[in-house]
Amino acid sequence: DVKVTQSSRYLVKRTGEKVFLECVQDMDHENMFWYRQDPGLGLRLIYFSYDVKMKEKGDIPEGYSVSREKKERFSLILESASTNQTSMYLCASSLLGQAFKQYFGPGTRLTVT
Amino acid sequence: DQQVKQNSPSLSVQEGRISILNCDYTNSMFDYFLWYKKYPAEGPTFLISISSIKDKNEDGRFTVFLNKSAKHLSLHIVPSQPGDSAVYFCAAYSGGSNYKLTFGKGTLLTVNP
Repeated sequence: DVKVTQSSRYLVKRTGEKVFLECVQDMDHENMFWYRQDPGLGLRLIYFSYDVKMKEKGDIPEGYSVSREKKERFSLILESASTNQTSMYLCASSLLGQAFKQYFGPGTRLTVT
Repeated sequence: DQQVKQNSPSLSVQEGRISILNCDYTNSMFDYFLWYKKYPAEGPTFLISISSIKDKNEDGRFTVFLNKSAKHLSLHIVPSQPGDSAVYFCAAYSGGSNYKLTFGKGTLLTVNP
């Protein structure tokens, strides 16, 4: 079974803090993704990566950056957290040839106060 | 502009009956359509997919129908079980170098015993 793990299930941070969300997958997948899920808005793509050190912007990249130094690990960085970044953050991975079939981690509920 | 629409935020059915979840899309270039299921406090899990060249795909109790002329797909669950109660997301994928899934906003299905 594919396993995607996220470093924290719940996180509380203060406005202006730098926040790191970590994601690790154990199936040697090429693609990795970061989404946020908000009520009434579904899942929205923040960034994705199809290879080490490669990244592409998704639909809502503003206020975020990412890092992929190793194939199995994809980090989401909030440079200066704001209250409107309070959300559920979901990481996913997929094989290069099956990008439509993504495996998700359990999510990190981030609250910015 | 919302390319994948789930117009029903919620649906309630009785155990043993059929559940029908609907999804509309606007982009004719989508190659695959998928359904993901999400329980509270868990990441979405892949449920079933259909290629744009097919009109039906079946997997056990789950069947997805695609009507390309109407740009409409539906997920049928027969018979519905209480464990099917979850949020169901419709998603679409356009392939090529664009790796992203476009998600609908989700439909909360409640199956009553």
